[in-house]
Amino acid sequence: AQSVTQPDIHITVSEGASLELRCNYSYGATPYLFWYVQSPGQGLQLLLKYFSGDTLVQGIKGFEAEFKRSQSSFNLRKPSVHWSDAAEYFCAVGAGSGGYNKLIFGAGTRLAVHP
Amino acid sequence: DVKVTQSSRYLVKRTGEKVFLECVQDMDHENMFWYRQDPGLGLRLIYFSYDVKMKEKGDIPEGYSVSREKKERFSLILESASTNQTSMYLCASTPPQGVNGYTFGSGTRLTVV
Repeated sequence: AQSVTQPDIHITVSEGASLELRCNYSYGATPYLFWYVQSPGQGLQLLLKYFSGDTLVQGIKGFEAEFKRSQSSFNLRKPSVHWSDAAEYFCAVGAGSGGYNKLIFGAGTRLAVHP
Repeated sequence: DVKVTQSSRYLVKRTGEKVFLECVQDMDHENMFWYRQDPGLGLRLIYFSYDVKMKEKGDIPEGYSVSREKKERFSLILESASTNQTSMYLCASTPPQGVNGYTFGSGTRLTVV
């Protein structure tokens, strides 16, 4: 069965430091992978997605993610974190026909940013 | 921009009540979804719909039903609310070729007392 694991429940970084959020997936076919961000009290906003092609994908707000098939990973990175990046981050894999019709989410990683 | 609107941000209901959560999208999307979000569990799919009057169960459909009478509206129904249904409920939509992922509403935080 498809699944997504985000090993880190909480992460705290200092403003200006680099960030990497981990995501591992389990899926039998070529995955469709997504990262979403949720600010407090809000819905989810799409940061970036991977369907095929270049394994390093760029997203909004200065985020990027790298797909590594050999490690079944899709880690999210940002070179310099801003205080406004404090939020919860969700990794998701697309399952079902077309790969995007049903998203399976990880449990999320809550990011805190110290000034 | 696509908008997905959930009619209530906060709801408080009593145990045993029938509860309706409404979701409307304005971009003619075929696919609509209801998730519940709980700390430490992420988002879990309750029901989804590919077209008007069509519905499919997600991973946790027990205690819920849905209605899709019009393309733009997808309602989640708690037939008899229970305290373990206290949660954040998120609606989402996407076209069939959903290469841009889902568009989510802002969520409804339901408390059942």
